[in-house]
Amino acid sequence: QKEVEQNSGPLSVPEGAIASLNCTYSDRVSQSFFWYRQYSGKSPELIMSIYSNGDKEDGRFTAQLNKASQYVSLLIRDSQPSDSATYLCAVTPGANNLFFGTGTRLTVIP
Amino acid sequence: EAQVTQNPRYLITVTGKKLTVTCSQNMNHEYMSWYRQDPGLGLRQIYYSMNVEVTDKGDVPEGYKVSRKEKRNFPLILESPSPNQTSLYFCASSARQGGNYGYTFGSGTRLTVV
Repeated sequence: QKEVEQNSGPLSVPEGAIASLNCTYSDRVSQSFFWYRQYSGKSPELIMSIYSNGDKEDGRFTAQLNKASQYVSLLIRDSQPSDSATYLCAVTPGANNLFFGTGTRLTVIP
Repeated sequence: EAQVTQNPRYLITVTGKKLTVTCSQNMNHEYMSWYRQDPGLGLRQIYYSMNVEVTDKGDVPEGYKVSRKEKRNFPLILESPSPNQTSLYFCASSARQGGNYGYTFGSGTRLTVV
């Protein structure tokens, strides 16, 4: 089973708040986990990758991985209107595929 | 500039008329892949290639063909397009297979089949 589940949203947060995006996956052998950002009408852009349990921080973004719970999340601190986009969770079981969730649409309200 | 280039960006065609969407990358990536994106269904993989002359089916290969004669190019061929192939298509490449190094996506091709 290869499902990657995300809440489609929309998720609305006020400017300056923390946005929390969640993703669960069903394939226990998944090894690599990614978050992509996709603006309307544009192509997905890789913003975070995480491979081991715990937190990984990059600027205002923090990815969190819990393999036991098959759960990966993305926190965006100090959210800005420019963060308004659809965020795609993707996982790979280490084979030849990268499986995507359907995405969560985030709106940051000025 | 490192990039994946797709052409055309927009295409309207009629049912049954063969078409090719081109994809080229300038990063010397081994791994290339085609996805289609549909509302509510997300990105679904059509075909992928691990290297020259090595291609394999993804999740939704029916109605599509690909070839990988050169490392940089990975065209998507629709021999007889049908309306259910109306979609937004993305080509992507990665330094290694399986996307472990993250994908770089092309700008997309919006295809309408009437």
